[in-house]
Amino acid sequence: DAGVIQSPRHEVTEMGQEVTLRCKPISGHNSLFWYRQTMMRGLELLIYFNNNVPIDDSGMPEDRFSAKMPNASFSTLKIQPSEPRDSAVYFCASSLSGREEKLFFGSGTQLSVL
Amino acid sequence: GENVEQHPSTLSVQEGDSAVIKCTYSDSASNYFPWYKQELGKRPQLIIDIRSNVGEKKDQRIAVTLNKTAKHFSLHITETQPEDSAVYFCAAHSTDSWGKLQFGAGTQVVVTP
Repeated sequence: DAGVIQSPRHEVTEMGQEVTLRCKPISGHNSLFWYRQTMMRGLELLIYFNNNVPIDDSGMPEDRFSAKMPNASFSTLKIQPSEPRDSAVYFCASSLSGREEKLFFGSGTQLSVL
Repeated sequence: GENVEQHPSTLSVQEGDSAVIKCTYSDSASNYFPWYKQELGKRPQLIIDIRSNVGEKKDQRIAVTLNKTAKHFSLHITETQPEDSAVYFCAAHSTDSWGKLQFGAGTQVVVTP
């Protein structure tokens, strides 16, 4: 298995632009998580899905952030409009069921908003 | 909700010595406690985990202990090697917050030859 696949690996954009991050979970995993990692705030859970349904989006910073999971093999995290404070590494992770299960992280997307 | 505190934030050890990282959690309903290792520029990867019905678990040079009464758990690395240098995160999963892992702030471990 190729593991959790994220794209792009790096994204540099200008303030105000729309940014879309993509994730393909491990086949057969029912739960998908989006995390943001910064030096100041560590690993923050933004949103997670179970069976393609958003379960908890309380970690999404504000309305500029949205996430979708149209099917079991694909999810997107969108920021519109982007701001410099959104600069971070965004990780997607998946697990078999979400309950006390090992999380498999993708390689992350390093986002820089200028 | 769950709150996980992790200490120390940085840890420097001589190669061959032991390293201990401690975490406390607040939610007595937490029942699953994984530890992740993140090397520079890489993704976090699970190295060991423990469930609330177990007090200790060992895997080669790493071990984790859990004290449910005191609500704390620890990671022990023995005979440290330079490749153990990384950031280590503890986490806790509560049965009250389905699917939601709360991570500690991380410990930067530096093993000097």
